[in-house]
Amino acid sequence: GENVEQHPSTLSVQEGDSAVIKCTYSDSASNYFPWYKQELGKRPQLIIDIRSNVGEKKDQRIAVTLNKTAKHFSLHITETQPEDSAVYFCAASRSGGSNYKLTFGKGTLLTVNP
Amino acid sequence: DAGVIQSPRHEVTEMGQEVTLRCKPISGHDYLFWYRQTMMRGLELLIYFNNNVPIDDSGMPEDRFSAKMPNASFSTLKIQPSEPRDSAVYFCASTPPGLAVYEQYFGPGTRLTVT
Repeated sequence: GENVEQHPSTLSVQEGDSAVIKCTYSDSASNYFPWYKQELGKRPQLIIDIRSNVGEKKDQRIAVTLNKTAKHFSLHITETQPEDSAVYFCAASRSGGSNYKLTFGKGTLLTVNP
Repeated sequence: DAGVIQSPRHEVTEMGQEVTLRCKPISGHDYLFWYRQTMMRGLELLIYFNNNVPIDDSGMPEDRFSAKMPNASFSTLKIQPSEPRDSAVYFCASTPPGLAVYEQYFGPGTRLTVT
């Protein structure tokens, strides 16, 4: 089955700096890569996703890049703000037909210091 | 839309007792997922359903765990008998139909503590 590795496990940055979180996956057939944000005591919520036919996607201060050859994808947050502090999870899926199964990374605790 | 609803939000029980967690997916969503979250193991998929039919239960840890979805608006996850290592936050999530939409909408979770 799919295996997703996520690094780093913790990341501390100063407000205004950029943050980068990286993930690798094992199943070359995976074609969908979402990122979820989970604030303390809250539920995970989707913040951005990318499909395998796209190399990069951007939404305001967040962007995701995908390298299918190397089987890795990254989350980039620019101009970080204290409200960006949360745990971020990457995931991978070989979605299609009736398969919507997501395999999650272990998460990255991002702390943005004011 | 009320979102995915889970009950109870917190459950404290003694080892050996039966625990039943409940989930109501978003109306119109035809996929339902049960996850378990712990510090050590992260977010683990236990089982998921499509149109009330279990599709993949390979994540269910052992026979003590069972899940049902008797209709499109209700699912249960049962642990019998419960053990301290089952302590975790259990999330339910749902997804709408359509190949173009993969976002999973999570419920608020049930925090289970087994003493």
